[in-house]
Amino acid sequence: EAGVVQSPRYKIIEKKQPVAFWCNPISGHNTLYWYLQNLGQGPELLIRYENEEAVDDSQLPKDRFSAERLKGVDSTLKIQPAELGDSAVYLCASSSHSGRQNEQFFGPGTRLTVL
Amino acid sequence: GDSVTQMEGPVTLSEEAFLTINCTYTATGYPSLFWYVQYPGEGLQLLLKATKADDKGSNKGFEATYRKETTSFHLEKGSVQVSDSAVYFCALSDGQGGKLIFGQGTELSVKP
Repeated sequence: EAGVVQSPRYKIIEKKQPVAFWCNPISGHNTLYWYLQNLGQGPELLIRYENEEAVDDSQLPKDRFSAERLKGVDSTLKIQPAELGDSAVYLCASSSHSGRQNEQFFGPGTRLTVL
Repeated sequence: GDSVTQMEGPVTLSEEAFLTINCTYTATGYPSLFWYVQYPGEGLQLLLKATKADDKGSNKGFEATYRKETTSFHLEKGSVQVSDSAVYFCALSDGQGGKLIFGQGTELSVKP
């Protein structure tokens, strides 16, 4: 079974430039999560999708961040414009459905460096 | 709000030593508790979980017991190996759509 796929693995951009991250969840997983992981910290939830609907985006900085999950499968997270403080690892995770007992499967992450 | 606190790292042990990584949590409800592990260059992997008080999660020689009275979920292993070197994250799921709340992570380095 293929795991969660993310691309790119690494991205270096200059501040004020746009950037996008792509995630392909495990086949059949309805719930998709984007997390932000700062250096030396645990991941923090940015947004959760149930199929194509964003059901929890309370932690997403909507002035510069946006996300979409077309057709309830792949998802894209975008930052425009990027700031120096956005340098971090962006993790995508998926689960078969939401619920406090359900295991989330994580992708390898995209490491973003903003210069 | 809900939160998780882990002991600070890095933790450096010799092979075959006993491991304990402390984790305590604050939650208003009845969360599920998890330990995730992150090997160098890889994504987070679920190591073990417990969904109710007094449950013991175990996997690969690691174990942790859900202690409601002390709000703790300490990770233990009787004899660590070099291959256990990784960053370990304690987390809780607050029931709100399965959102995970993580501790800051504890880096473990095992020397031969």
